[in-house]
Amino acid sequence: AQSVAQPEDQVNVAEGNPLTVKCTYSVSGNPYLFWYVQYPNRGLQFLLKYITGDNLVKGSYGFEAEFNKSQTSFHLKKPSALVSDSALYFCAVRDRNNQGGKLIFGQGTELSVKP
Amino acid sequence: DVKVTQSSRYLVKRTGEKVFLECVQDMDHENMFWYRQDPGLGLRLIYFSYDVKMKEKGDIPEGYSVSREKKERFSLILESASTNQTSMYLCASSLQIGGSGLSYEQYFGPGTRLTVT
Repeated sequence: AQSVAQPEDQVNVAEGNPLTVKCTYSVSGNPYLFWYVQYPNRGLQFLLKYITGDNLVKGSYGFEAEFNKSQTSFHLKKPSALVSDSALYFCAVRDRNNQGGKLIFGQGTELSVKP
Repeated sequence: DVKVTQSSRYLVKRTGEKVFLECVQDMDHENMFWYRQDPGLGLRLIYFSYDVKMKEKGDIPEGYSVSREKKERFSLILESASTNQTSMYLCASSLQIGGSGLSYEQYFGPGTRLTVT
């Protein structure tokens, strides 16, 4: 079965420090991976995706993610965290058994950046 | 910019009522989705549609139905609302999967927080 796991419910980081939000996946074949961010009382916003090519993917708001096939991971990173990065982050993988673009989401990780 | 709008941000309904949640997208996307979001459970797919009048069940379709009469509009219907349907409901849309297998991201609306009392 295809699945996505975000092993940390919450990540706490000091402003200016690097941040990492972890994601691991389990799919058959090549994965299509996504990161989304959700600010309080808002819908999800697309951050970045990995389809093919370079393992380091750059996205919105200075975020990047590294695809690691051997570790089946797609961790979200940012070199210097901002207080405004505090939000709920979701990793997702496309369901390859579905032609309609269905995504399978992780449970989400709450990122808290303190000044 | 893609815009996905949902008819209400907050909604309070009584048990047994029929509830309609409306979603409209303005980018001519073929695919549309309805999710519910609950703390600790992430997003769970209720129904999706890949074309007008076409629909497929997601992971948790029980107690819900959908309607897609026009390409830009996708409605979620709670036939008889129950308290366990209190949740945040999110609509999303995306382009159809590309011919080369490209996977397009989904664009989300702001969500409707439904409370059933």
